[in-house]
Amino acid sequence: QVQLVQSGAEVKKPGASVKVSCKVSGYTLTELPMHWVRQAPGKGLEWMGGFDPVDGETIYAQKIQGRVIMTADTSTDTAYMELRSLGSQDTAVYYCATGRGYFAPIDYWGQGTLVTVSS
Amino acid sequence: QPVLTQSSSASASLGSSVKLTCTLSSGHIRYIIAWHQQQPGKAPRYLMKLEGSGSYNKGSGVPDRFSGSSSGADYYLTISNFQSEDEADYYCETWDSNTRVFGGGTKLTVL
Repeated sequence: QVQLVQSGAEVKKPGASVKVSCKVSGYTLTELPMHWVRQAPGKGLEWMGGFDPVDGETIYAQKIQGRVIMTADTSTDTAYMELRSLGSQDTAVYYCATGRGYFAPIDYWGQGTLVTVSS
Repeated sequence: QPVLTQSSSASASLGSSVKLTCTLSSGHIRYIIAWHQQQPGKAPRYLMKLEGSGSYNKGSGVPDRFSGSSSGADYYLTISNFQSEDEADYYCETWDSNTRVFGGGTKLTVL
């Protein structure tokens, strides 16, 4: 059984960066694809990007490409998502999520991390 | 890229059966989709994987009253014997080689 535990809520000023972590247990990170999905207040789910451990590639959503970096520390089984040049539109709950393969449904979700961007 | 379309809202009486629809954009044939439930204030929860053939596989612990089916571009989530704890937002998800997309979600409420 995979468990994903994320870091705590963050408050950032416009223009700053935020880095959210996602600790994996039950499996090793090298075995799992890792997606990041966000949800603005009162809105739906938006895929930000994902890492495929089979080919080592990370694909980012076009809308956010250039501002986001997804990385991983395999020694601690922790994935990270860093988002730069924050604006008010980035206020959202950020989820890490994984599944049985990159081209498979997401079937495990982290608990979410609220990032608030406010001056 | 594929696009998934869902009705924004639906309602059902307790104990009744309700069917939610997720429609896949034209030109995208027999994709696999997934259904997720998001109760208020909680993270999404995976419900099932649903193939274009109508075959589905549910996640661990998903009650028997949840089932899936499909017809053409339409993928369905049926909840039988609707319970108060089923009041939630429901999202469908699919993917291709370049992206992953979610439907806009259906807010399901008790009548």
